[in-house]
Amino acid sequence: GEDVEQSLFLSVREGDSSVINCTYTDSSSTYLYWYKQEPGAGLQLLTYIFSNMDMKQDQRLTVLLNKKDKHLSLRIADTQTGDSAIYFCAEPADTGRRALTFGSGTRLQVQP
Amino acid sequence: SQTIHQWPATLVQPVGSPLSLECTVEGTSNPNLYWYRQAAGRGLQLLFYSVGIGQISSEVPQNLSASRPQDRQFILSSKKLLLSDSGFYLCAWRTGQGGETQYFGPGTRLLVL
Repeated sequence: GEDVEQSLFLSVREGDSSVINCTYTDSSSTYLYWYKQEPGAGLQLLTYIFSNMDMKQDQRLTVLLNKKDKHLSLRIADTQTGDSAIYFCAEPADTGRRALTFGSGTRLQVQP
Repeated sequence: SQTIHQWPATLVQPVGSPLSLECTVEGTSNPNLYWYRQAAGRGLQLLFYSVGIGQISSEVPQNLSASRPQDRQFILSSKKLLLSDSGFYLCAWRTGQGGETQYFGPGTRLLVL
């Protein structure tokens, strides 16, 4: 079955790096996603990685994919207070629904 | 560019009252549309999805229903709200031409008292 797992909470100091981890179960996933949700807002697509890649870097964001362990991580360099939000990992659900299966979200708290 | 709208932004309703939440998408044709619910402090639960006008698939049996009267309009309804219907309702779309990425609306916060 589909199950995406994340730790619930992460606290870092401003300027440090943040690493948010995720494990997924569907080895046939083509894309894996990271979404960001700020308080009271919808989900914003942050980045994604194609399953034939091990790493993707986009400015302060680095996504690492370990297909063998079905482990996905999001690293935020030089974390800022504006990065405080909930971060969701997601993978495609079975193709019949064309939907995404989301983790429960990791709340990132950045302390000044 | 594509945009997705939801309204209302916030809604407070008594138990047993009806519900209608609306979602519209601009700038794309024949999108796949989705309704998710996010309970406080939890992840997203897929409620309904639609691949075309009048085509609705339900993921979770409950007192909610969805309709798609137009290509870019998706409506979430209930005849009688329950306390457990409180939550943050998110509409999302994705292209119908094979792309997997979903894009989300701003959400509607529903409080049932």
